Amino acid sequence: KNQVEQSPQSLIILEGKNCTLQCNYTVSPFSNLRWYKQDTGRGPVSLTIMTFSENTKSNGRYTATLDADTKQSSLHITASQLSDSASYICVVGGNLIFGKGTKLSVKP
Amino acid sequence: DSGVTQTPKHLITATGQRVTLRCSPRSGDLSVYWYQQSLDQGLQFLIQYYNGEERAKGNILERFSAQQFPDLHSELNLSSLELGDSALYFCASSYRTDNTEAFFGQGTRLTVV
Repeated sequence: KNQVEQSPQSLIILEGKNCTLQCNYTVSPFSNLRWYKQDTGRGPVSLTIMTFSENTKSNGRYTATLDADTKQSSLHITASQLSDSASYICVVGGNLIFGKGTKLSVKP
Repeated sequence: DSGVTQTPKHLITATGQRVTLRCSPRSGDLSVYWYQQSLDQGLQFLIQYYNGEERAKGNILERFSAQQFPDLHSELNLSSLELGDSALYFCASSYRTDNTEAFFGQGTRLTVV
């Protein structure tokens, strides 16, 4: 069964700190993995997209990694800001199989 | 602004009724996806259309149907509505169905009372 599991479910960090979110998947066949940021009540916005051959992709303070052998990905956020408070969603495959997301709260 | 337009933004209707949600994809995008997001839940894939043809089906109820028109806009029809159908419904579009970027609309919030 195609599944995307994310951890932790929620996370609270202080402004300025770094954090790493995890994504494990069992989607097959694998074509790509995306990380989205979703503010409450808004549509998801793409942060990164990686294909099978890519193992890291950066977008400003966001860096995603992919290990296709272990079927794991991580999203690292550097020097967090209050505006980073949102749900971060891992999405796998052409049919966009979504994880349930990690809810990140950045506190001052 | 993602370029994907969804209307209406909000919809309140009674149980048993039928509603139609509309999605206009980004200019040039051929693929449209529909998702349902219930309160505090992840996005659930409903259905995908590519250039007018149904491409993939997810957990879409038989009471729900969709279509993509020749101008590539799409409509999601929800009938015999139940309280549990209250959710945010998102549409996304992409140029193809593989590794190209998918862009999401701002969603339609449906409340069934």
